[in-house]
Amino acid sequence: DQQVKQNSPSLSVQEGRISILNCDYTNSMFDYFLWYKKYPAEGPTFLISISSIKDKNEDGRFTVFLNKSAKHLSLHIVPSQPGDSAVYFCAASPHLYNRKAEKLVFGKGTKLTVNP
Amino acid sequence: GAGVSQSPSNKVTEKGKDVELRCDPISGHTALYWYRQSLGQGLEFLIYFQGNSAPDKSGLPSDRFSAERTGGSVSTLTIQRTQQEDSAVYLCASSFRGGYTFGSGTRLTVV
Repeated sequence: DQQVKQNSPSLSVQEGRISILNCDYTNSMFDYFLWYKKYPAEGPTFLISISSIKDKNEDGRFTVFLNKSAKHLSLHIVPSQPGDSAVYFCAASPHLYNRKAEKLVFGKGTKLTVNP
Repeated sequence: GAGVSQSPSNKVTEKGKDVELRCDPISGHTALYWYRQSLGQGLEFLIYFQGNSAPDKSGLPSDRFSAERTGGSVSTLTIQRTQQEDSAVYLCASSFRGGYTFGSGTRLTVV
């Protein structure tokens, strides 16, 4: 039973264009969502997060959108750069306690390739 | 160190042998997590330590897997009688507030 789903295993975009990575979740108790980026042979690194009280959070070229009614979130990268090529994991937390994320549930990841 | 350190980075073992994987979290981080990523899969939760509370072991796939965290710092994940399906990258993460900081992982190959 996958609670966090990333249905696209891979995505390829041209440099300078927008990359949109999608994530769906099934557990309505999730209220904190994160995106991680992973290069080969390295651990995932935190990219951006959003809590359920918001519908958008922006950090430079990265924006995360949350649609609670649809249980859907997306990560937008614009403009995309070749260095953004990596695997992106969506993650969700069952609850947020004292601003601290508890156990995270991860999706399977989407491999993004940005072509020069 | 400044980050989460895991050792060894790579481990090849024969089926049936026991292995120990080590994680040194960031100093002061009260929470420590073990995940694993099998080929083509996402990050699968294994076990979670939070301060002095009893660990959340709900993700351990079988009783061959165990983990401990000594002194609220270093953690060791032990896999007994390894099987080929145990082959994966084992990732450790620690946190204090907000998201996790991951180590680079231990790539375990059972032959």
